[in-house]
Amino acid sequence: GAVVSQHPSRVICKSGTSVKIECRSLDFQATTMFWYRQFPKQSLMLMATSNEGSKATYEQGVEKDKFLINHASLTLSTLTVTSAHPEDSSFYICSASIYGTNYGYTFGSGTRLTVV
Amino acid sequence: GNSVTQMEGPVTLSEEAFLTINCTYTATGYPSLFWYVQYPGEGLQLLLKATKADDKGSNKGFEATYRKETTSFHLEKGSVQVSDSAVYFCALILNTGTASKLTFGTGTRLQVTL
Repeated sequence: GAVVSQHPSRVICKSGTSVKIECRSLDFQATTMFWYRQFPKQSLMLMATSNEGSKATYEQGVEKDKFLINHASLTLSTLTVTSAHPEDSSFYICSASIYGTNYGYTFGSGTRLTVV
Repeated sequence: GNSVTQMEGPVTLSEEAFLTINCTYTATGYPSLFWYVQYPGEGLQLLLKATKADDKGSNKGFEATYRKETTSFHLEKGSVQVSDSAVYFCALILNTGTASKLTFGTGTRLQVTL
């Protein structure tokens, strides 16, 4: 149980275009999802907390207009990287929590974004 | 604030060697502690957890004991395999609801050779 599916696993896009990454909880309802960014050989940096039906909460230094997060249902959160630039190239990972447990979080398999 | 400190890697071991990856934490309260593993090109997988002092988490031959007195949660395995090569993250969370954030350590890369 507690599977999070993230798509796409890899995407290459041109500078200036937008890319959408999906994160789905397959067998549970996720009131809260998290989006992380990971640079090569580094730890995960929390970008934002996505709450179903409300605005996302962004961490300090993360541009909310650049990284648009939508959590329209209890099973889907999306991260859209708008007007992507090469410096946005990174590994993006989502995770979701199950309400009422302290089992930590289930992570998606990640999306490797390359902006050329 | 909360923080997690892990030993720096990479850690290189021969197959069947004993593994220890140190992890210490600071937290305002009583956190739950986790070890996550990340294989190349993949997301994170929960390896084991402990939710209170003296709990021992274990999975796939890995163990870690929640030591409140030393604020530690060191990861150990008696005999590593090449397939254990990955990055290991120690993390904590305070039990304040589902919007609580995981605090990660910087990760320790383990490389196991034949």
